This record gives sequence, C-alpha cells and structure tokens, in this order.
Amino acid sequence: EAGVTQSPTHLIKTRGQQATLRCSPISGHTSVYWYQQALGLGLQFLLWYDEGEERNRGNFPPRFSGRQFPNYSSELNVNALELEDSALYLCASSRGATNEKLFFGSGTQLSVL
Amino acid sequence: GQQVMQIPQYQHVQEGEDFTTYCNSSTTLSNIQWYKQRPGGHPVFLIQLVKSGEVKKQKRLTFQFGEAKKNSSLHITATQTTDVGTYFCAGPGWGNKLVFGAGTILRVKS
Repeated sequence: EAGVTQSPTHLIKTRGQQATLRCSPISGHTSVYWYQQALGLGLQFLLWYDEGEERNRGNFPPRFSGRQFPNYSSELNVNALELEDSALYLCASSRGATNEKLFFGSGTQLSVL
Repeated sequence: GQQVMQIPQYQHVQEGEDFTTYCNSSTTLSNIQWYKQRPGGHPVFLIQLVKSGEVKKQKRLTFQFGEAKKNSSLHITATQTTDVGTYFCAGPGWGNKLVFGAGTILRVKS
C-alpha cells in the first residue's frame, strides 16, 4: 500500500512569490491535513480537508489556502511568500472519522530567500 | 484555544538509561495519540490511548493516560540508539484538528 506522497520534496522561492505544494493521501483516506513545522519547532495545524470541503483551519493568514480534489488529493497554496514561511510542510491523511490516527508524508521543505 | 504542553523540551541520556516525556492538556481529552519523528523524517504514529488511567506497552515503551484524561506520559526503558528522535503527543482540538505538543527531543549517547 502506497503511503502519503508529497511533492515537491524541496522548493526554493523568493519573497513575494507564490508556492504550490501537493499531497496524495493513502488510498481510501478522505481526510487530508496540512501542518507547518518550522525548524526545531512543533507541528502547527494549518488546514483540514475532508470529502472536498475545508473543515477547519489554523491560525494562519488568508494567504495560506488550499483545496481538495475529487480524488482526495490536495494542494496547499501560499501566496506573497515571507521569509518566515520557510519550513517543512507536512501533509497527513486519515480515514476521515474523528479520532483517527494520521499518516504523514515526508513533507515539502520550503525555503524562502 | 486548547493547548497541549510537553516537557522536557530536550533530553540527552546515556544508552541504557530510562527516558520519560510528559504531556499536559488544558482541557479534558477524549483520547491522546503519540508520534515519533526520527531526525530528518516525518512523524509516525505510535499509539492511541482512550480510557481514563489506561496503560499500554510496546516492547520497551510504556504509555499512560491520566485518570482525569488531561495528561499522559511515555516512558522508555533502557534506551537504545534507535530511540533517538522527537516524541510528540497530540490531542483532538476543536473541529477535529489534532493539536500537537511541542515535542521532546531525545538524544542517546552510546
């Protein structure tokens, strides 16, 4: 069974640009979560999608947005990049029910110069 | 909002010594999950505790859920170099999001 896949692995952008990160969940999983992990810090919740709908978002500005496609894959868009957006962005999937364990992808390392 | 606090932030132990990380929530939790992230890796699910006072073991790892369901601990007996990494606890927050503690970084000296 394939795990959660994320692309690209690394992404280098300059301040003010836009970044798009992609995630494919485990087959059969309908929920996708995005977390930001800045260097040496914990996981900060960004967004949760389930069945194509945004269900919850964390305390991040509106320039962080995303969507979930009919095949349950998801993308995270970050507009007007700032230096402090540099972080590892982790996607996780679950079966969608509450209290389900999360399966994480390997992440996209975003560097903003 | 709900907060999950974890201590210590960092622990460096000699191989063979025991290790414990503690997790405290500002609210009562329906369940608590533990994850491990190896250096350079991604978080991997270890276990979920649901019942008040629950204790679960996985080989040298012992997980406990407090009676009030507001705290939890992970204890590793006789650490090995393979135990290095960051251990996170996580509890369900408002709207089904999983709120993670800041993690405890474990380093093991051989």
